[in-house]
Amino acid sequence: AQKITQTQPGMFVQEKEAVTLDCTYDTSDPSYGLFWYKQPSSGEMIFLIYQGSYDQQNATEGRYSLNFQKARKSANLVISASQLGDSAMYFCAMRGGYQKVTFGTGTKLQVIP
Amino acid sequence: EAQVTQNPRYLITVTGKKLTVTCSQNMNHEYMSWYRQDPGLGLRQIYYSMNVEVTDKGDVPEGYKVSRKEKRNFPLILESPSPNQTSLYFCASSLGTSVSYEQYFGPGTRLTVT
Repeated sequence: AQKITQTQPGMFVQEKEAVTLDCTYDTSDPSYGLFWYKQPSSGEMIFLIYQGSYDQQNATEGRYSLNFQKARKSANLVISASQLGDSAMYFCAMRGGYQKVTFGTGTKLQVIP
Repeated sequence: EAQVTQNPRYLITVTGKKLTVTCSQNMNHEYMSWYRQDPGLGLRQIYYSMNVEVTDKGDVPEGYKVSRKEKRNFPLILESPSPNQTSLYFCASSLGTSVSYEQYFGPGTRLTVT
C-alpha cells in the first residue's frame, strides 16, 4: 500500500518570502511519480509540478521547486517569492505502478501582505 | 478547449434514490479516475480506469459503481446513496498509464444526501 503524509494542516508566509510545504511518502513500488496540486478557494485542482522516482535532479517549474530526497522518502514543495495568489490548499500525491493515486490531506497556505 | 466536464455541478438528493454523475473528457485520454474530497481527509480515489472496459477499485469503492464503455466517458453511479456519501466529487483524466502523467481534473460535483 502507498501512503502520503502532509503534517502541516495550515501555514502562513509573508508575501515575497519563500515557503516549504512538507510531504513524506511510503511505497514499495520501485517506479512512482510524485505530484503537487493547488486548490484555490474556487475549488479547481491545478497541477503544479512532477518528480519521478528515478529522476536525479529536483524538478522546477517557475517559482515552484520540488526538494526530492529519495532516501528520506520526502518530496517537499518550495514556493519562492510568495504572492497573494498563492493562498490555497496544496496537495501532495503519488502515482504508483499499479495505477492507484494517493493524495495527502493537504496544507492550507495563507500569504500575508 | 481541452477539458474534463462533470454534471451536475451540484446535487441534493435523498437516501436511496439512485443517481449518476457524468464525466467526459475531450483529450483522448486513456486513464480516468474518480475521487471524493472530504475535510481533513484530502482526496481519496474511488475507482479508476486504464482504458475502455478496464476498471479497478481505488481506496474507497464501497457504495459506488463505474463503467467505461467509451473512451471519453466515465460515469459514477450511486445505486443507493447514503448520507455518508455527502462529499465533493472530482473526475480526472490523464494521457496514459505511465506514473509520470499528471491528471486533469473536472470542476467537481458537490453532492448532498439527506
